[in-house]
Amino acid sequence: SQTIHQWPATLVQPVGSPLSLECTVEGTSNPNLYWYRQAAGRGLQLLFYSVGIGQISSEVPQNLSASRPQDRQFILSSKKLLLSDSGFYLCAWKQGNSPLHFGNGTRLTVT
Amino acid sequence: DAKTTQPTSMDCAEGRAANLPCNHSTISGNEYVYWYRQIHSQGPQYIIHGLKNNETNEMASLIITEDRKSSTLILPHATLRDTAVYYCIVRPRLSNFGNEKLTFGTGTRLTIIP
Repeated sequence: SQTIHQWPATLVQPVGSPLSLECTVEGTSNPNLYWYRQAAGRGLQLLFYSVGIGQISSEVPQNLSASRPQDRQFILSSKKLLLSDSGFYLCAWKQGNSPLHFGNGTRLTVT
Repeated sequence: DAKTTQPTSMDCAEGRAANLPCNHSTISGNEYVYWYRQIHSQGPQYIIHGLKNNETNEMASLIITEDRKSSTLILPHATLRDTAVYYCIVRPRLSNFGNEKLTFGTGTRLTIIP
């Protein structure tokens, strides 16, 4: 069966520091991969998605970037965090017409 | 994506069936109804989806009205672990594209009462 791993679960970082959140998927090949952000009491905002290695599409211009160095690895990064980057970050995957499956998220607090 | 409306909150006694309604009156013919739930501080969990026929899996049943303008998610024997926010969304049938701009809305906060 397929599983998705996302870490860390929580993270507190100072303003101006770098960020690296990692997501890996097991049990499938060539999945579509996604990064979302969820603000408190609000819906999901799609940040990036990838349909293959090295292929990244950005949905919202921002302080973040994404990379896909391997088929089942998706990384969310920032060179310098802003206060507004605080939030709940979710990685997700799907394959073909399947439902979207989410990881357990990373709660990022920028101080 | 078509808009969905759900009650803000519901309570259900443990062991009873929980019935969560969703209105999607503007749904189009190629859109599925999907249900996810989110337990506090976790990622959304896929539950079930359907197009026009009723569906059942190990987690729940989905009843879709004949006109497809509304649906009901049924948790047959609710447990305390079913306490979560439940989201009803619609999603195009041919969603094989990379872009998945899911619109989750605010959902229904279901509380299972011991």
